[in-house]
Amino acid sequence: AQTVTQSQPEMSVQEAETVTLSCTYDTSESDYYLFWYKQPPSRQMILVIRQEAYKQQNATENRFSVNFQKAAKSFSLKISDSQLGDAAMYFCAYDGNEKLTFGTGTRLTIIP
Amino acid sequence: DSGVTQTPKHLITATGQRVTLRCSPRSGDLSVYWYQQSLDQGLQFLIQYYNGEERAKGNILERFSAQQFPDLHSELNLSSLELGDSALYFCASSPGGRSSYNEQFFGPGTRLTVL
Repeated sequence: AQTVTQSQPEMSVQEAETVTLSCTYDTSESDYYLFWYKQPPSRQMILVIRQEAYKQQNATENRFSVNFQKAAKSFSLKISDSQLGDAAMYFCAYDGNEKLTFGTGTRLTIIP
Repeated sequence: DSGVTQTPKHLITATGQRVTLRCSPRSGDLSVYWYQQSLDQGLQFLIQYYNGEERAKGNILERFSAQQFPDLHSELNLSSLELGDSALYFCASSPGGRSSYNEQFFGPGTRLTVL
């Protein structure tokens, strides 16, 4: 069974600084997708970024980028120029067989 | 706004009762997924329907059941409710049956409180 591990329950970063959230996963499949979702206090699930396992190039979306290490089964999220609106729970998720498996989340606090 | 709607937003009920949560997918989406999020936890996949048929099953209890109707809306039925069933229940939809090729769009969730 696929598992997703987020080892940092909480992280904090100064506004305008850079922070990296960690995620590791376990799978025996070679073709899959990885996602980072953001859940602000409104509890809405918002897709931040997605990575296709067969693509070696790391995905980037504006201030958000990932470091995808397929052999190490690692998928970290880097947030540059952190803003107050980035404060939220961040969930890493794996998709290999038509369902999403989520990690337990990292709560990110932005310090003004 | 993702285009996925869920009703009701909040539901408070007692142990032993039965409730129905409703989800309307985005226009054109054929797949509906149900997830359960307990307090400060990640989302747990419950079940997926594609064009009216059950497609995948996750950690769904026997007390829970779901269905997708011809107009593609879906309902999640929770019966013999227990305190531990209190959670946020999300519905998500995607265009096709294989979620990897289609982003899942999440609804705002239904918060269920069992007293």
